[in-house]
This record gives sequence, structure tokens and C-alpha cells, in this order.
Amino acid sequence: DIQVTQSPSTLSASIGDTVTITCRTSQSVSRWLAWYQQKPGKAPKLLIYKASNLESGVPSRFSGSGSGTEFTLTIISLQPDDFASYYCLQYNSNSRMFGQGTQVAIK
Amino acid sequence: EVQLVESGGGLVQPGGSLRLSCAASGFSISIYSMNWIRQAPGKGLEWVSYISPTSSTIYYADSVKGRFTISRDNVKNSLYLQMNSLRAEDTAVYYCARQDVFDLWGRGTLVTVSS
Repeated sequence: DIQVTQSPSTLSASIGDTVTITCRTSQSVSRWLAWYQQKPGKAPKLLIYKASNLESGVPSRFSGSGSGTEFTLTIISLQPDDFASYYCLQYNSNSRMFGQGTQVAIK
Repeated sequence: EVQLVESGGGLVQPGGSLRLSCAASGFSISIYSMNWIRQAPGKGLEWVSYISPTSSTIYYADSVKGRFTISRDNVKNSLYLQMNSLRAEDTAVYYCARQDVFDLWGRGTLVTVSS
């Protein structure tokens, strides 16, 4: 199975900051990687698919990059609504795998 | 409104069985692959199972292989998860989600496995 390592597990940031979250996969997944945002008690929400494609309706301050085994989610000019947990997902293989998650907290 | 609604969760004893349903509305699931994902209390997301539009391809996570069965009824516009031999570690909120990229999620249904 392809393993996914997401970092950091938590990060503290202020409104207006730029934050970056990284996911690394144990084998190449080409560009078959997605990013999700989850708020407490709610279902996750798709932000980015195929590494860098912004889902419809998602603000442009979110962006994704990478290919192969290393991927990043960047949020520029962090807004109050962005404090949440973020997960990556590799969907290249028969066995899909999420990263461990990153909690973005207010500094 | 385009939505997915899960049902069938509840409290079950270890070794017991439960069948979850996911009803779609506002679109036809017949052209989409579908998935089950779960989240244990206070933990991260875990993909559970995948089914292709015609049920010709099915995948399971190793943690549920041999115990859980995914199925679908495109006429009823519904997805199912039959869960047998349940264990305490299966306790989680179970979500259904559409397509390979999980672009649409339900609100989830809580399954608690406890004596």
C-alpha cells in the first residue's frame, strides 16, 4: 500500500499569514492527490483535486502543487474561516490513503 | 438539492452486524463511483471501501477486508455497507462520498461498537 505522511500535525498562525502543509507519499502517485478541509462536527470539504486543481467555489487563496511523491497545500492571507483541520488523500492506488491531518490553530 | 444522507448507525455489541445506507438526492449515482470513509472519535479520516458505477470493481481497506461488504442499487439511488464481525475499533462516524476525489460527502452516521 502507498503510505502518506503529512506534516506538520499542528501549526499556529495569525490572520493574514501564509501557511504551507506538506504530504509525502511512499511511491509516486503522479498527480492523484487531493486536499480537504474539515471543521469540528462537520464532513470534510474538497479543496483541491489532481494536485493543483481548485474545486469550484473554493477561494483562490488556497492552492496546491506537486507531483510524484511530494505535494503542498498553501493558504495565503489566512482568514478566520480557515482555522480548521486539513487532510491530503492519495487516490492513485486501489487502496486510497489519507494523511494524518494538520490542525491549523490561531496563534 | 444535491446531497447524500447516511443512515443505519447505532450501538452494536462486539461481533454484531449493522447495515449502513447512503441515499442520494438531486443527482443519479449510476454514473459515479462511490466510497465509504470513517472517522473514529478524535482521530483522522480512514478510507474504507470503493465501488465503481456498475459494481464491477470493488476495493476495501485491509482493516475491514473480509468483514465489510459494499454494494449499491442504482435504481434506488443508494449505497450500502454491510458490516459484520464488528470490533470496538470500528467505532466511528461513517461517511459516504462521491467519486474518486470525494467531491460530495454526507453528514455521516455514528457507529458505536461496545458491550
